[in-house]
Amino acid sequence: QSALTQPASVSGSPGQSITIPCTGTSSDVGGYNYVSWYQQHPGKAPKLMIHDVSNRPSGISSRFSGSKSGNTASLTISGLQAEDEADYYCSSYTSSSTYVFGTGTKVTVL
Amino acid sequence: EVQLVESGGGLVQPGGSLRLSCAASGFTFSSYWMSWVRQAPGKGLEWVANIKQDGSEKYYVDSVKGRFTISRDSAKNSLYLQMNSLRAEDTAVYYCARENHIPARRNFDYWGQGTLVTVSS
Repeated sequence: QSALTQPASVSGSPGQSITIPCTGTSSDVGGYNYVSWYQQHPGKAPKLMIHDVSNRPSGISSRFSGSKSGNTASLTISGLQAEDEADYYCSSYTSSSTYVFGTGTKVTVL
Repeated sequence: EVQLVESGGGLVQPGGSLRLSCAASGFTFSSYWMSWVRQAPGKGLEWVANIKQDGSEKYYVDSVKGRFTISRDSAKNSLYLQMNSLRAEDTAVYYCARENHIPARRNFDYWGQGTLVTVSS
């Protein structure tokens, strides 16, 4: 099972919006509405930000949103803030009843 | 408050074995699928294995099949990962994660802080 493809880095200025794509196949991203997104700050455990494509867990800012089209899912962060600087990973359930994570994207707030 | 606390990591020689544990509290452990996820130093996340509430279903990433075994003990609210025939590429922080595995939901909503496994001679 190959990792889902994400850009290595994305950057933006405070207040701007950024979008992180996550590309898989019809056996994972494209086949299920089971894409989730995780934020990880250095030395910390991952934190669930978006689940099942576009749902925000309780307590997660509405600045975070998710979507999917075909084999590509996306995470959008609007109104970028300094605290959003972190690594972001997508994940998808697969046709093998397993999970696969994305390669990870480092978000830098300029 | 949901808490997941991993233990059992350490330094082990190639070919050796190690058993990781994850103590769960703050939720009904027997009602949830559980997973192990690892992260090699400076690298991304990799899902390793998961187990159904009653232990009747287990799934593994191809790279650990036949070497790692996931198990659980609901009486002790604990999740385990028995790792045999360890290789240098198994060096990573291993996270225990609670899994939402119900119709229309598949995700990891709570994570432990991780335990470091180093495979080196």
